[in-house]
Amino acid sequence: RKEVEQDPGPFNVPEGATVAFNCTYSNSASQSFFWYRQDCRKEPKLLMSVYSSGNEDGRFTAQLNRASQYISLLIRDSKLSDSATYLCVVLMEYGNKLVFGAGTILRVKS
Amino acid sequence: DTGVSQDPRHKITKRGQNVTFRCDPISEHNRLYWYRQTLGQGPEFLTYFQNEAQLEKSRLLSDRFSAERPKGSFSTLEIQRTEQGDSAMYLCASSSPAFGGPSYNEQFFGPGTRLTVL
Repeated sequence: RKEVEQDPGPFNVPEGATVAFNCTYSNSASQSFFWYRQDCRKEPKLLMSVYSSGNEDGRFTAQLNRASQYISLLIRDSKLSDSATYLCVVLMEYGNKLVFGAGTILRVKS
Repeated sequence: DTGVSQDPRHKITKRGQNVTFRCDPISEHNRLYWYRQTLGQGPEFLTYFQNEAQLEKSRLLSDRFSAERPKGSFSTLEIQRTEQGDSAMYLCASSSPAFGGPSYNEQFFGPGTRLTVL
């Protein structure tokens, strides 16, 4: 079983749609959680951290459920520029190793 | 540009050859990481330095791979006797130390070196 598993993509949505990505992780000792965004043939960039209380950044809302070992990302009012691969990322308890999911491709169409 | 830089951006080599990649982190960052990413997968951790000390190595890092950070600034990743399975994007990231805060500080990634082994 992979340490971090994500919804298989791609998600094809029209502009303005709301889309949700899910992710599960297997190591209950995982410390911190993040969503990274990766554009085609570019490096990953931090989108947002994820907290148990839930956090929002503009059109993006992230949620963590430690009991279920589940992480989510909600994107409201999708824009064409949101098209990218979204990577669910977990920081392991030891050291600073980031463990990435395989990513979910989002394609927003006009 | 004060971000993480990597050189070369692309490398094509024949099986069996040695290759070396360089990473220059953000200047004040003392932590440096190497990851490998293959098509359709997320990046996978390879190794991590704090200053010049290599503190963790993944089991993915076979004995053909060696990484160094001799002066605690730039780092090199060498692959000896390359194999076709080494073809991937090699990503470097750096982060600054967390002083009294959470152990994680954001890792900033470089543009990567894309290796193709023929």
